[in-house]
Amino acid sequence: AAGVIQSPRHLIKEKRETATLKCYPIPRHDTVYWYQQGPGQDPQFLISFYEKMQSDKGSIPDRFSAQQFSDYHSELNMSSLELGDSALYFCASSLGGDLQFFGPGTRLTVL
Amino acid sequence: QKEVEQDPGPLSVPEGAIVSLNCTYSNSAFQYFMWYRQYSRKGPELLMYTYSSGNKEDGRFTAQVDKSSKYISLFIRDSQPSDSATYLCAMPSKTGFQKLVFGTGTRLLVSP
Repeated sequence: AAGVIQSPRHLIKEKRETATLKCYPIPRHDTVYWYQQGPGQDPQFLISFYEKMQSDKGSIPDRFSAQQFSDYHSELNMSSLELGDSALYFCASSLGGDLQFFGPGTRLTVL
Repeated sequence: QKEVEQDPGPLSVPEGAIVSLNCTYSNSAFQYFMWYRQYSRKGPELLMYTYSSGNKEDGRFTAQVDKSSKYISLFIRDSQPSDSATYLCAMPSKTGFQKLVFGTGTRLLVSP
């Protein structure tokens, strides 16, 4: 069965650079969630979109923004990167807020 | 204080053992409960979900919910080395399936 696709899988950036993470949900899923997982920590909710509208917002820094496009894929844009932004970023998708299925994640390293 | 508490482990057991993983939660509004399995550097994989108090079984896995005690458990029978992973309990923070609040995860090691 098709799963959530995330790209890139690994990303290395310098401080103060920008990064764009992409998420392609499971076909027919209309809701996308972004989570950040630091080393040894549980995933922390950042933001979610339902039918291309922001549906919920968590502890997402102002330096980050996200959107969901007409084909339901989503992009997380991160600017002025800081060392502390180094983490695994997961995207999850669901159908109408139902069970969430996670992608493989993007490992971001900020040097 | 976290809304969901979970012993981080690690929990080391021999192959074939019965494993018990547990979480407690503080928000009585939580109505749905999930267990995710996460292998190192991989995405969380949905294992089981339950809605009401009681037991739900799926193969070697049994999820148990006690809403009166705000306590959930995941039992793994006949544990295998391939079960070695971090197990995260999770609950939607609002009624219905919304953003998930996770426990810290319990790292399980099953030795051959």
